[in-house]
Amino acid sequence: EPEVTQTPSHQVTQMGQEVILRCVPISNHLYFYWYRQILGQKVEFLVSFYNNEISEKSEIFDDQFSVERPDGSNFTLKIRSTKLEDSAMYFCASRGTDNSPLHFGNGTRLTVT
Amino acid sequence: GEDVEQSLFLSVREGDSSVINCTYTDSSSTYLYWYKQEPGAGLQLLTYIFSNMDMKQDQRLTVLLNKKDKHLSLRIADTQTGDSAIYFCAERGLNTGNQFYFGTGTSLTVIP
Repeated sequence: EPEVTQTPSHQVTQMGQEVILRCVPISNHLYFYWYRQILGQKVEFLVSFYNNEISEKSEIFDDQFSVERPDGSNFTLKIRSTKLEDSAMYFCASRGTDNSPLHFGNGTRLTVT
Repeated sequence: GEDVEQSLFLSVREGDSSVINCTYTDSSSTYLYWYKQEPGAGLQLLTYIFSNMDMKQDQRLTVLLNKKDKHLSLRIADTQTGDSAIYFCAERGLNTGNQFYFGTGTSLTVIP
């Protein structure tokens, strides 16, 4: 069964550095998402992306964050100038048609030291 | 944003049924989902229901929807130790655009 893949599975970075989290959504899907989950807390929506542009973003998704679909398969989340509180699991998800459910990757655990 | 609430913990004995409950506030809610998260893994879609249905059964899983009370439940029959995980309820409505709203997750522990 097709799946969403994320790399790396774990990323450790120093405060102030930039990180890029990578995702390969399911190939015929049209809608792409990033969510994050701080340890023990809710799964929080960050951003959705459709037709090569951001369709919605939450208040968490400020100028520190950006997303890109650089080619036909990858979907990336860039976090600039990382802070300690950015430490979390970051999940990529995708879906096909407008009515279909989200399919998630296994996440990237980001640790900012 | 919309609120989705779940109780945090549930313990059941192996072989018993588990019932995980969820309430939501979005009156335009159209699709409701259950996801399972095992330790260190992503969210795995278990099942989902459209709001024009009140029940859906899929093998050991039964989803019940009370749209009037905005209450969703997931029943797992004959619960096994492999069912121990965190279960997330999620909803998407006409008013929420592309967003899916998730509950806090219910941690299910199955006691052998």
